[in-house]
Amino acid sequence: DSGVTQTPKHLITATGQRVTLRCSPRSGDLSVYWYQQSLDQGLQFLIQYYNGEERAKGNILERFSAQQFPDLHSELNLSSLELGDSALYFCASSVQETQYFGPGTRLLVL
Amino acid sequence: DQQVKQNSPSLSVQEGRISILNCDYTNSMFDYFLWYKKYPAEGPTFLISISSIKDKNEDGRFTVFLNKSAKHLSLHIVPSQPGDSAVYFCAAYSTGNQFYFGTGTSLTVIP
Repeated sequence: DSGVTQTPKHLITATGQRVTLRCSPRSGDLSVYWYQQSLDQGLQFLIQYYNGEERAKGNILERFSAQQFPDLHSELNLSSLELGDSALYFCASSVQETQYFGPGTRLLVL
Repeated sequence: DQQVKQNSPSLSVQEGRISILNCDYTNSMFDYFLWYKKYPAEGPTFLISISSIKDKNEDGRFTVFLNKSAKHLSLHIVPSQPGDSAVYFCAAYSTGNQFYFGTGTSLTVIP
C-alpha cells in the first residue's frame, strides 16, 4: 500500500460526458501528479500540482483540467469524453525524487 | 517527444538467471533515474533509483547501472524469481521538472 488513494476504482461512462477522478496523496506529500496510461502505452504525464499551485504541465488536453485543494487532495476533471480517453489514470505523490502511485482509476468511455 | 525509451517490450528469463532490462534517454539534463515495477490492476511501485552522480546503485537482488556517456541505464535482477514477473518502467527526472517514463518492459520469469 503506497498510501495514495484514488477513487473511483472503475468508471464507465458515455461519450460527451464529464467525470471527476479524485486522489488523496500520502500524508505530508505536497506534490500530486496525474498520469494517463492507455493500452500498450507508457505513463503519459498530464499535470503536477505542488501545495495547491500548478507546477508543471505535460500532454494534458484542453478538455481536461485539474486542481489541488487546501487539504492537498486533487481532482482531475475530464470533459467532452471521447472513446480514446479510455485509459488508466494514475495519480502519484512525491517526497523529493521518488513518486508513490495510487492504484489508478480505470475509465471506460462507451 | 519520447525522452525515455525502453526498446524491448518484453523479456523472458529462466528462474535463477539474471534479468537485464534496458532504458535509453535523450536529455542530458536528467539528474535522477528510477525504476518502477507494475503488476496488473495496480499502480507502479518504486523499486530503485540512482542519481546522475553515481554509476551504480544496489539494493538486494536489484542493481541499477547508469552510463551517462551512452545515456543508458539498466536494471539487473539476480537471481530472477517468478514473483518478479511484472512490467518494469524506467523514469527520469531533472530537478524542478516533470518525470518522464518509458513505455515499459514486460518481464516473465519462467519457473
